[in-house]
Amino acid sequence: AQSVTQPDIHITVSEGASLELRCNYSYGATPYLFWYVQSPGQGLQLLLKYFSGDTLVQGIKGFEAEFKRSQSSFNLRKPSVHWSDAAEYFCAVGLNTDKLIFGTGTRLQVFP
Amino acid sequence: DAGVTQSPTHLIKTRGQQVTLRCSPKSGHDTVSWYQQALGQGPQFIFQYYEEEERQRGNFPDRFSGHQYPNYSSELNVNALLLGDSALYLCASSFGRESYGYTFGSGTRLTVV
Repeated sequence: AQSVTQPDIHITVSEGASLELRCNYSYGATPYLFWYVQSPGQGLQLLLKYFSGDTLVQGIKGFEAEFKRSQSSFNLRKPSVHWSDAAEYFCAVGLNTDKLIFGTGTRLQVFP
Repeated sequence: DAGVTQSPTHLIKTRGQQVTLRCSPKSGHDTVSWYQQALGQGPQFIFQYYEEEERQRGNFPDRFSGHQYPNYSSELNVNALLLGDSALYLCASSFGRESYGYTFGSGTRLTVV
């Protein structure tokens, strides 16, 4: 069965530090890949997406993600974290364009 | 340009009751998908409506049903509520059946007591 794994439940970083959130997926082919962010009590906002082509994808708010087929990974990165980046981050896989399968999320805490 | 609107924002129901949640899609969108997000979990796909028909369904019992109106708005109905139905219910709209075009609403927080 298709699945998405986010191995880090909670990550804490200092403001200005770099960030990498991990995501691995299990699927027979290369799916569509997404990263979403969710602030408390809010819906999901799309950060970036990968369908094909260049494996390094740029998104909003200074985020980027790299697709590595050999590792079935799609890790999210940011070179310098801001306090406003504190939120829940979800990796998702799009299958047959009809639905998304989400990971369980990584909660990011940012210390000043 | 209004995004996806969900109502109500919060709801408290008693076990065994029925509930209806509503979603108005983003202007120009014709497809509505519903997701359930339990506390501490990622969203799980419930079903998708396109052209007023349920097109695909996730692993949810028949107690969960939906409807889409000609103006593309949608309802999610849950019968015989269980405590485990307590969750944030998210509506996402898109144009056509392309998940990468999703716009999510802020959700309805349902608490079953």
